Amino acid sequence: KNEVEQSPQNLTAQEGEFITINCSYSVGISALHWLQQHPGGGIVSLFMLSSGKKKHGRLIATINIQEKHSSLHITASHPRDSAVYICAAAANYGGATNKLIFGTGTLLAVQP
Amino acid sequence: DVKVTQSSRYLVKRTGEKVFLECVQDMDHENMFWYRQDPGLGLRLIYFSYDVKMKEKGDIPEGYSVSREKKERFSLILESASTNQTSMYLCASSLEYNEQFFGPGTRLTVL
Repeated sequence: KNEVEQSPQNLTAQEGEFITINCSYSVGISALHWLQQHPGGGIVSLFMLSSGKKKHGRLIATINIQEKHSSLHITASHPRDSAVYICAAAANYGGATNKLIFGTGTLLAVQP
Repeated sequence: DVKVTQSSRYLVKRTGEKVFLECVQDMDHENMFWYRQDPGLGLRLIYFSYDVKMKEKGDIPEGYSVSREKKERFSLILESASTNQTSMYLCASSLEYNEQFFGPGTRLTVL
């Protein structure tokens, strides 16, 4: 079993729909990251959160530390949101940085 | 804006060749990372460095080595490339305990 599990693996939505991507983790973490990767493109960090909720435009990320669960929501989805969304748990290495443990990603396709 | 650049977007090499992948960041970050990304496996950490000349093995260091002679530059070396090292290689950098900034990736094919 992977230490970071995402669901669903693939998601197709119609433009305007509300989208939820889930992430569960089994390790102790200092933070949870959500990343976005467009086809052929690099990876962009969307959120880093250690508690509660963060919002940026139409994107909302929540985390429940007790449940070891995080969700990424996209409101009023648009075709340009089509990408792979990756959840990563920041585990403390004991040094001056965190090791990120990645989920395998959710491929989102938003159709017009 | 933080910029992380990688020396090549696409690279084709032959089995047994020595391969150098370079990564440069312009924001004075202490930490730098090399990952490989394969379908169905996600990103896996090969090596990371938290300071000049310092390096730590990640989850899959076999067949790779790294070099960090200057703070802004982190190189990944494949001493003798093999076909199972065909992959997308991503470099990242970060300050302590902060978000990581990724480069555009190098798609390496080993024939």
